[in-house]
Order: sequence, then structure tokens, then C-alpha cells
Amino acid sequence: LAKTTQPISMDSYEGQEVNITCSHNNIATNDYITWYQQFPSQGPRFIIQGYKTKVTNEVASLFIPADRKSSTLSLPRVSLSDTAVYYCLVGRLTGGGNKLTFGTGTQLKVEL
Amino acid sequence: EAQVTQNPRYLITVTGKKLTVTCSQNMNHEYMSWYRQDPGLGLRQIYYSMNVEVTDKGDVPEGYKVSRKEKRNFPLILESPSPNQTSLYFCASSLEGQGINGYTFGSGTRLTVV
Repeated sequence: LAKTTQPISMDSYEGQEVNITCSHNNIATNDYITWYQQFPSQGPRFIIQGYKTKVTNEVASLFIPADRKSSTLSLPRVSLSDTAVYYCLVGRLTGGGNKLTFGTGTQLKVEL
Repeated sequence: EAQVTQNPRYLITVTGKKLTVTCSQNMNHEYMSWYRQDPGLGLRQIYYSMNVEVTDKGDVPEGYKVSRKEKRNFPLILESPSPNQTSLYFCASSLEGQGINGYTFGSGTRLTVV
């Protein structure tokens, strides 16, 4: 199973772009990378998912280099409401190997 | 509305008194899982289930039991709760594996064992 490493915390200001990098050196060929957002006392919420290169949706972009040993979640123009914990998860989309560990995540704090 | 429903949201109990936290999903998902979340430790997987009657241990299964008799339900059972099981618990489901668009999580159950 691919173990992930993220920074424990990051600080930013409203309107800035925030990039959170996740390291997953042991990622397997069939693994996808998924990012979640969690607010206090709420369940994590899916943000974005990708396999390689770049994926973009209405809330974020995900950059995955060719070797796939890391990935970067990019949040454009953050606001106070983006203050949350962000988790990177690596694993197969289908089939077995579902002992999936979220890790401790990255606490993002956005200030005025 | 597609959702994962956990009950109860809050529970205070005493050491040794058996309890069950229910989890139900209405998305016909095959995969369901239980996590506990403690300060500084992130989300740790307790048990997961690939389908009906198929369950397996996660990272921290000690002191917990689960069952999957129906596709939609995946209850978490604490036969003899202890104070170190005081935690915030989340149930999650997905179509299979990690799932396209990831897991759907419940709102959580905050358990206190005194």
C-alpha cells in the first residue's frame, strides 16, 4: 500500500493560490490519487481525483508528474471557508486492497 | 438524496456496556468502511467490507466487531467499550475499491466512554 506524506500545516491569506503537495513514493501502477477536504466534526468530502498529468474541476486542480511519486493539490484564490484539513489518499479505484489509510492530513488555515 | 446515515450522532456510555453504531447507505454501494478519528492521529480504518458477508480488518480493529448482512447496512459493534475507544467515528461507502469520486462519508458519531 502506498504511504503518503503531507505537510502538517500551511497558512495562507484570502485570495492567494495554495498548493499542497503529497508524496507517495511507493504508488502502484493501478493506484489513483484522491484528495479530500474535512471541516471540524464533519466527514471528509471528495475534492478531486486523478491518475496522471493534470485534472481540473470547479474547486481545484490536481497536478501529477510523470513519475507519479507525488501530487499537488492547487486551490485557486482561497477564502476563509477553505480553512480545513486536506487529505491525500492513494489506492485502486476498483477491486481489492481496500485497507486504505488517510494519514494525518494538512491543516490549511486561511486568514484575512 | 444519496447519503450515508450514521446513528447516533452523539453517545455517552459506560465502560463495558455493549453498544452498536449503525451505518446505512442508499447508493447501492458495495464497499463500506469504518474509521475513527483522534486528535493528531488522522483517520484510521477500523474495518471494511467489500460486499455482503465479506469483511476484513483495517489498521485498528481491536475491540470492535462489524457485520454486513445486507448491502446497505454496516453496523459497528463495541462488545465491551473502554475509555480508549472514546473517539469520533465515521462510516464511509463507495461503489467499489476507492471508487470513482471517492468515498461518501457519514456525518460522524462522537462516542464518549466513561
